[in-house]
Amino acid sequence: DQQVKQNSPSLSVQEGRISILNCDYTNSMFDYFLWYKKYPAEGPTFLISISSIKDKNEDGRFTVFLNKSAKHLSLHIVPSQPGDSAVYFCAASHGSNYKLTFGKGTLLTVNP
Amino acid sequence: DVKVTQSSRYLVKRTGEKVFLECVQDMDHENMFWYRQDPGLGLRLIYFSYDVKMKEKGDIPEGYSVSREKKERFSLILESASTNQTSMYLCASTETSGGLYNEQFFGPGTRLTVL
Repeated sequence: DQQVKQNSPSLSVQEGRISILNCDYTNSMFDYFLWYKKYPAEGPTFLISISSIKDKNEDGRFTVFLNKSAKHLSLHIVPSQPGDSAVYFCAASHGSNYKLTFGKGTLLTVNP
Repeated sequence: DVKVTQSSRYLVKRTGEKVFLECVQDMDHENMFWYRQDPGLGLRLIYFSYDVKMKEKGDIPEGYSVSREKKERFSLILESASTNQTSMYLCASTETSGGLYNEQFFGPGTRLTVL
């Protein structure tokens, strides 16, 4: 049972435009959500997070939106840059459980 | 600057060999994790550890074991490597904050090929 779903395996956008990566979850116990970015042959790096008490968190060009009623979150990157090209993983956890449940990832390609 | 290191970036082994993957973190984190990443499958948790000499199975523990003799070191062991264990292996760690924030810090990964 896949509790965190990223239904788009890939996304291609033009440099300067907005990238929107989506993530859905099924476990209503999840209360903390994270996005990781991964380049080939490197480990994932933490990008941005949001707790369930918020519906938006912003950090520079990156904004995460959380819609709890729809069990949906999204990552917005504005403006997109070629260096943003990577695989993006959505992850979720609940309470003091230190385990993260990851989605399958979305490959973002930003074209110059 | 936080750091998680893994003993090898690339490893090639033969079927049936015993394989050790080492992970070391310098952040004094209590919790450490081993994942494997495969195309189209994302990151899947193999084993994790909350404390020294403590381990718990993740989602796909079959064919693997782990060892945590020291707080900073977490080893993944493939008792008898098989070709379906060819994968990217990622180690991660996180502190016990007592709160909700569970950001994990990842190592660079080990690309294991079993022939």
